[in-house]
Amino acid sequence: DIQMTQSPSSLSASVGDRVTISCQASQDISNSLNWYQQKPGKAPKLLIYDASNLETGVPSRFSGSGSGTDFTFSISSLQPEDFATYYCQQYDHVSPFKWTFGPGTRVEIK
Amino acid sequence: EVQLLESGGGWVQPGQSLRLSCAASGFSFGSYGLSWVRQAPGKGLEWVSTISGDGAGTYYADSVKGRFTISRDLSKITLHLQMNSLRAEDTALYYCARVFDTTDYYYAGADNWGQGTLVTVSS
Repeated sequence: DIQMTQSPSSLSASVGDRVTISCQASQDISNSLNWYQQKPGKAPKLLIYDASNLETGVPSRFSGSGSGTDFTFSISSLQPEDFATYYCQQYDHVSPFKWTFGPGTRVEIK
Repeated sequence: EVQLLESGGGWVQPGQSLRLSCAASGFSFGSYGLSWVRQAPGKGLEWVSTISGDGAGTYYADSVKGRFTISRDLSKITLHLQMNSLRAEDTALYYCARVFDTTDYYYAGADNWGQGTLVTVSS
């Protein structure tokens, strides 16, 4: 099974900071990776799909990059509404089908 | 506007069963796969199961295979999750989510989510 790791597990940042989160897959997943934002008490929200594609309606300060086993998610200028937990998710399109989420990165206010 | 509304959660004892439902609206129900994703209290997200748009394809996480059954009722525009032989580790908020496809692959992820229904398994 493919395992997903994220780093850091949490970070503290200030409004206006650039934030970067890493996600690593235990084997090559090409670009089969999505990023979600989850605020406390709310459902997750899709931000980035296929590693680098911005979901419709998502602000351009969010971006993603990478392929293979190493991926990066960035927020260019952190806004107050961006404090949340961010998850990467890989989709395994070969048998057996499955999704695997990373453990999450909590972005807190400094 | 896509809407997904889960129901059916509650408290049960270990070994008992529960059936979750998810009422969908705002999109062509039969054209999209649907998934269940759960989140234990204070923990991360865990994929549970996915069903194809026509209901012919079903997929399960190893942790629930043989105990949970996903199904969809096209006439009632509703997704279900039948959960049998429940265990304490199944305690979680269960989200219903609409699945999106990418250019190259089916069932890539979830682009719309419900608010979840809480399942508590405890003696």
